[in-house]
Amino acid sequence: AQSVTQPDIHITVSEGASLELRCNYSYGATPYLFWYVQSPGQGLQLLLKYFSGDTLVQGIKGFEAEFKRSQSSFNLRKPSVHWSDAAEYFCAVAFGVGNKLTFGGGTRVLVKP
Amino acid sequence: DGGITQSPKYLFRKEGQNVTLSCEQNLNHDAMYWYRQDPGQGLRLIYYSQIVNDFQKGDIAEGYSVSREKKESFPLTVTSAQKNPTAFYLCASIPRDAKGGNQPQHFGDGTRLSIL
Repeated sequence: AQSVTQPDIHITVSEGASLELRCNYSYGATPYLFWYVQSPGQGLQLLLKYFSGDTLVQGIKGFEAEFKRSQSSFNLRKPSVHWSDAAEYFCAVAFGVGNKLTFGGGTRVLVKP
Repeated sequence: DGGITQSPKYLFRKEGQNVTLSCEQNLNHDAMYWYRQDPGQGLRLIYYSQIVNDFQKGDIAEGYSVSREKKESFPLTVTSAQKNPTAFYLCASIPRDAKGGNQPQHFGDGTRLSIL
């Protein structure tokens, strides 16, 4: 069965420091890949997506992600975090018919002043 | 502005009661989805519908029911058979891609359901 793993449940970073969130998936072919962000009590906002082509994709709010086929990974990065980046981040992959998404368990990011 | 509206924002259910969560979209999207979110478990798919009058079970459909009578509406009923309904419920939709590829899902702001 397809699966998505986000190994880090919580990450704490200082404001201005760099951030990297890990995502690994298990699937026989290259899926469609997404990163979403969720503020408390809110829905999910799309940060970026990878369908094909350049393996380094740029998203909103200064985020980028790199698809590495050999490692089945799609890690999210930001060079310098802002206090407003404190939120929960979800990696998701779409498999097959129906555009169904499978989500990782999420990584909660805390930003220290 | 177009978007997905979920209501109510908070909902309480008594034992043995069915409750219905509303999801309306004015994005003219064809497919709609219901997810359940529990702490530390990410989102899990309950039901989805790709066209009007058709829907499929997701990974955790037991204790839930849906209907899709109109393109813009996809209500979710949490029945009394769902023994652990306390969760955050998110509705999503997706446009039809003329090229047949995947598109990112758009999400509503969710409904938090609790047991009285």
